[in-house]
Amino acid sequence: KQEVTQIPAALSVPEGENLVLNCSFTDSAIYNLQWFRQDPGKGLTSLLLIQSSQREQTSGRLNASLDKSSGRSTLYIAASQPGDSATYLCAVPFMGNEKLTFGTGTRLTIIP
Amino acid sequence: EAQVTQNPRYLITVTGKKLTVTCSQNMNHEYMSWYRQDPGLGLRQIYYSMNVEVTDKGDVPEGYKVSRKEKRNFPLILESPSPNQTSLYFCASSLGSTGAPYGYTFGSGTRLTVV
Repeated sequence: KQEVTQIPAALSVPEGENLVLNCSFTDSAIYNLQWFRQDPGKGLTSLLLIQSSQREQTSGRLNASLDKSSGRSTLYIAASQPGDSATYLCAVPFMGNEKLTFGTGTRLTIIP
Repeated sequence: EAQVTQNPRYLITVTGKKLTVTCSQNMNHEYMSWYRQDPGLGLRQIYYSMNVEVTDKGDVPEGYKVSRKEKRNFPLILESPSPNQTSLYFCASSLGSTGAPYGYTFGSGTRLTVV
């Protein structure tokens, strides 16, 4: 079964720390991997998209890596800020499926 | 601004009263899709459309209908809503179902409560 897993489900860190969020997927036959941010009760904001042929993507303080062969992606957030508090979701379009398969997310809290 | 627009943002309705949630995108995307998000279950696909007049069921299509008469619009129809359809709904679009090359764009969501 094609699944996406995110561990931990929740994470609290003091402001200013660097942190890593993890995403794993069961099938390496993917087109790309997309990281989203969701504030409580709000929509999904796309953060980064990594194509299957790429190893990483960077946007500001965010860096996402992709290791397709091991079925893993990480989202690195540098110098965390209280405004980074949100739920972070990774999502994958597996080959043969006409949809995004989402992980269950990591709820991140940055403590001022 | 490139975006997916959903309306309404919030809706409270009674069991059995037909409703439509609208979705429109201005990016000339061929692929559009509806998801629902529930605590503990995550985001699940309801229906998707590969292009005009082409729609297909996702993982949880029961109780929903869709139509794609124009490229930009993809309304979600609940003909007889029930309380188990209380959820947060998202519309998404992309150039194609793979998300390449720019990924998926999501609407701001519609919070539906059926009493």
